[in-house]
Formats: sequence, C-alpha cells, structure tokens
Amino acid sequence: EAQVTQNPRYLITVTGKKLTVTCSQNMNHEYMSWYRQDPGLGLRQIYYSMNVEVTDKGDVPEGYKVSRKEKRNFPLILESPSPNQTSLYFCASSPYPEGGANEKLFFGSGTQLSVL
Amino acid sequence: QKEVEQNSGPLSVPEGAIASLNCTYSDRGSQSFFWYRQYSGKSPELIMSIYSNGDKEDGRFTAQLNKASQYVSLLIRDSQPSDSATYLCAVKEGYSTLTFGKGTMLLVSP
Repeated sequence: EAQVTQNPRYLITVTGKKLTVTCSQNMNHEYMSWYRQDPGLGLRQIYYSMNVEVTDKGDVPEGYKVSRKEKRNFPLILESPSPNQTSLYFCASSPYPEGGANEKLFFGSGTQLSVL
Repeated sequence: QKEVEQNSGPLSVPEGAIASLNCTYSDRGSQSFFWYRQYSGKSPELIMSIYSNGDKEDGRFTAQLNKASQYVSLLIRDSQPSDSATYLCAVKEGYSTLTFGKGTMLLVSP
C-alpha cells in the first residue's frame, strides 16, 4: 500500500530532551516536506527536500533540523525542544516537486507532540 | 510573504444544500490551486486542483478560479453530514512550495 509513515503518533517529552520524528514513504517520491499545524495558524511548512541531500527552510524552521540521506526517509529532529514546539506535525511527499497537472501531496497520519 | 486567506467559519449548512467555500491569495504569480479536506484528527487529503480560470467539476465538487480577482472557491452540492470537515485552500507559484490557508470549518447538519 502506497503510504507515508510517521512515527510516533503521539509523543510527550520534556524541555531540552532531543527527539526525532521519523517519516518514510514507499512511493519513490522526490519531494518531501514537514509541516506543523496549530489552532488558528493553519499548516506551516518547517523544511522541505527536493531530493536526496537537498533540503531547504520553509516558513518556520527555527528549532528544527532535517536530513535526507535516502530518498524514502526524511526525519525531523528537535535538538532541544521547547514548549512552543508543542504541535501537530505532518510529513508529506509528492512525486512532482516542479508542479504538474497531477500534483498532489500525500500526508502521513501526523505526530502529536507535547513538550512539557 | 505569500498569504492565503480563508474565513475560519464555521460555515453551517443543512443537508442537501450547497456549501460555498472561499479563498483569496496575495501572490499574482500563483499558478496552481488546491483544495484539501481535513477531518478532525486526521491528515489533509486532496479533493480538487485547478490551474486555469473558470470552473472545474468533479462529482459534487466544483472548484472556481478567477486569477484577475485572485480568488478561488469550492462549491459542494448536495452537502452531506460526511462533508463536515475543515477545508484548506493551498496555492503554489511555479516551482515554489505550497502555501496553505488556515482553513474553513464546514458543518453540515442532518
């Protein structure tokens, strides 16, 4: 089954404790992206990657790191989480990073992160 | 900063009515327009994309685009309670990434 898999689904942590949220897609998509979703603020892009070893900042990259060593994986790293990073996080992938008539983002099921 | 504006709602319509969801965008260079539906606690899913001025119909859904007015809308005919969700408008210019609106909550009452 074609899918984007995020883990964990729920995560509670404490301020300053490094964490990684994993994202993997089995569709051979070139484009992958991380979003956070907060009430009243909508979906905001954190980082994106157009291909292996190519990453770029989105609208809210502060406090986050990413890497794209393999095409299928795009982990999100919080080196020192803070309470303002409490949010719902979505990973997404797409086969058409440069646009196209059938462009579509495939989303993972989300990770609800709480930083105490 | 590109902006995509949506009324947060909730937009309440009775079952069987037409729901009209609206979206405006700030970047005149935008070329691709999308509507995503998001059920509570779930991830967004694409329901419509539109690239040219005019209407595009897919079943009960019609997307309308007016680039001169920088306006895109989604009409849902014969609304069903299962259509109750948040609808996200997303806009893209060329090779840039998507910019999402904050979403409009739609409530369809039986």
